[in-house]
Amino acid sequence: DAKTTQPNSMESNEEEPVHLPCNHSTISGTDYIHWYRQLPSQGPEYVIHGLTSNVNNRMASLAIAEDRKSSTLILHRATLRDAAVYYCILKGGGSSNTGKLIFGQGTTLQVKP
Amino acid sequence: GAGVSQSPSNKVTEKGKDVELRCDPISGHTALYWYRQSLGQGLEFLIYFQGNSAPDKSGLPSDRFSAERTGGSVSTLTIQRTQQEDSAVYLCASSLRFSGGMDTQYFGPGTRLTVL
Repeated sequence: DAKTTQPNSMESNEEEPVHLPCNHSTISGTDYIHWYRQLPSQGPEYVIHGLTSNVNNRMASLAIAEDRKSSTLILHRATLRDAAVYYCILKGGGSSNTGKLIFGQGTTLQVKP
Repeated sequence: GAGVSQSPSNKVTEKGKDVELRCDPISGHTALYWYRQSLGQGLEFLIYFQGNSAPDKSGLPSDRFSAERTGGSVSTLTIQRTQQEDSAVYLCASSLRFSGGMDTQYFGPGTRLTVL
């Protein structure tokens, strides 16, 4: 699976939008972009995923660059509960797909009241 | 509905003892994964099971680690002759099926293992 690069940490104010970037310059054509987050003392939680087009769900939006070499997770209104480590993960859809998730260090998001 | 459950939530053991960690996946999920997270470290893959296929054991750190999945449901991760470096949170995840890049995994709360 290709590697992703994320900032180590970010800060946001409560009720403001948050844009979490992820670079994946070696992404292959069949790789899906997944985002998971891990709240303190909990297991990871699925957030969103996409392939080429932007995606929206009740938790967040995923904006994917046209060349797919980067993506941005958007939390529209951050709450204190959104303070977590956010992981951007590429998951292959081709024959190389092994099922496992390869977690990097992620971005630790702090939300200030 | 019920999520992935793991037991025990905490386990303290002495160096050299064997431990068994249990995972109950979401009902109907055919794929099951084990990961571990050491203090200050990231999450690392250990093993996964998909239906009746041979498991992918490529992430197991040593032959002291083994896992079984009985009847396509419950899984047990066994660590023999535990060492202090085995101390970590062991996480289990399941997914509806191994559907390639779209596979979404649901994680349990983890078992915190402390080896004294």
